[in-house]
Amino acid sequence: GQSLEQPSEVTAVEGAIVQINCTYQTSGFYGLSWYQQHDGGAPTFLSYNGLDGLEETGRFSSFLSRSDSYGYLLLQELQMKDSASYFCAVTGSGGYNKLIFGAGTRLAVHP
Amino acid sequence: DSGVTQTPKHLITATGQRVTLRCSPRSGDLSVYWYQQSLDQGLQFLIQYYNGEERAKGNILERFSAQQFPDLHSELNLSSLELGDSALYFCASSVDERGKNIQYFGAGTRLSVL
Repeated sequence: GQSLEQPSEVTAVEGAIVQINCTYQTSGFYGLSWYQQHDGGAPTFLSYNGLDGLEETGRFSSFLSRSDSYGYLLLQELQMKDSASYFCAVTGSGGYNKLIFGAGTRLAVHP
Repeated sequence: DSGVTQTPKHLITATGQRVTLRCSPRSGDLSVYWYQQSLDQGLQFLIQYYNGEERAKGNILERFSAQQFPDLHSELNLSSLELGDSALYFCASSVDERGKNIQYFGAGTRLSVL
């Protein structure tokens, strides 16, 4: 089967840096994705790692270590609008690109 | 705007009833995915269609069914509804870019079963 673990809540202040970790267990693995979801909104794609290492997109970076079955999302220069839920998701073997999502991390950014 | 259209936005119905949720994928996307999100829960994968054919199944109840039509829009049918079926139902469509799997989500249909 497939399972993902990520913290349920993280709190930070504006301007700070926060890291959201994700560990996964999967019978096969193609890549790790991150999605952001504001309350009442739709998930939106943030980042994808298919290979080990760091991917940077503006203020957001994502890291993957396939040998450790571990990844993280790094959010820099936090803004109030970054308050949302963040989901890691794996694409596993035989998945035809289906995503298995973690339970999500609710990030609260305070002034 | 993701380009994925879901209708209706809200649906209120009673237990035992049947409803149909509709999804139009982004232009050119052949894959459609359905997800269920209960209150304060993660996204549960239900089913995937690719170019009209079922490709993958997740935790989809037997009371639920889906199909993808020749014009690539998809419908999710929920029958014999129970209170526990109240949730947000999302549709997504995907494109592969250099091996990435990027899914674009619609705004969702909020189903309330009373």
